[in-house]
Amino acid sequence: DGGITQSPKYLFRKEGQNVTLSCEQNLNHDAMYWYRQDPGQGLRLIYYSQIVNDFQKGDIAEGYSVSREKKESFPLTVTSAQKNPTAFYLCASSKGGWAYEQYFGPGTRLTVT
Amino acid sequence: ILNVEQSPQSLHVQEGDSTNFTCSFPSSNFYALHWYRWETAKSPKALFVMTLNGDEKKKGRISATLNTKEGYSYLYIKGSQPEDSATYLCAVPRTQGGSEKLVFGKGTKLTVNP
Repeated sequence: DGGITQSPKYLFRKEGQNVTLSCEQNLNHDAMYWYRQDPGQGLRLIYYSQIVNDFQKGDIAEGYSVSREKKESFPLTVTSAQKNPTAFYLCASSKGGWAYEQYFGPGTRLTVT
Repeated sequence: ILNVEQSPQSLHVQEGDSTNFTCSFPSSNFYALHWYRWETAKSPKALFVMTLNGDEKKKGRISATLNTKEGYSYLYIKGSQPEDSATYLCAVPRTQGGSEKLVFGKGTKLTVNP
């Protein structure tokens, strides 16, 4: 079954700890994206990668870091520098280019206390 | 319009009603418009990607139109069913701050009552 997976579904961390969210796809897509959703807001882009070993900041990259060492994987690290890390995080992939639909994973809900 | 705006924010209809909602976007430098359906506890799923002015796309009881000159798209659902209950998102690519990205509206939450 082709698709995009995120793990874990729920994640709890103490303030001051870094945490890494996993995103894997077996769709052979070149592009991958990380979004954050907060209540009452649209999806906001954190980072995106159009190709392996390359990535760009989105609107709200501060306090986050990513890597794209493999085509199928795009992990997101939420660092202690992120002021309000509690949110729902969605990963997506696409063939590349903005005319292609994006395929979304099931999301990870991160709670930091 | 500087951002992507969707209206209404939420909508309650009865089973069998037809309904429609709007996505407004900046008409300059238009490239594409995406519609997604996001059901509770599931991932957003693409409905349509539209690129041409005047384009109309259809998938079952759902259809969408696009007016790139005036910067809006309509999503129509004919004969709504409870399984159509979801949040419908639209998004357009924009270049902001030197980077290109897909800008999402806040969505229209549709509830279809049996």
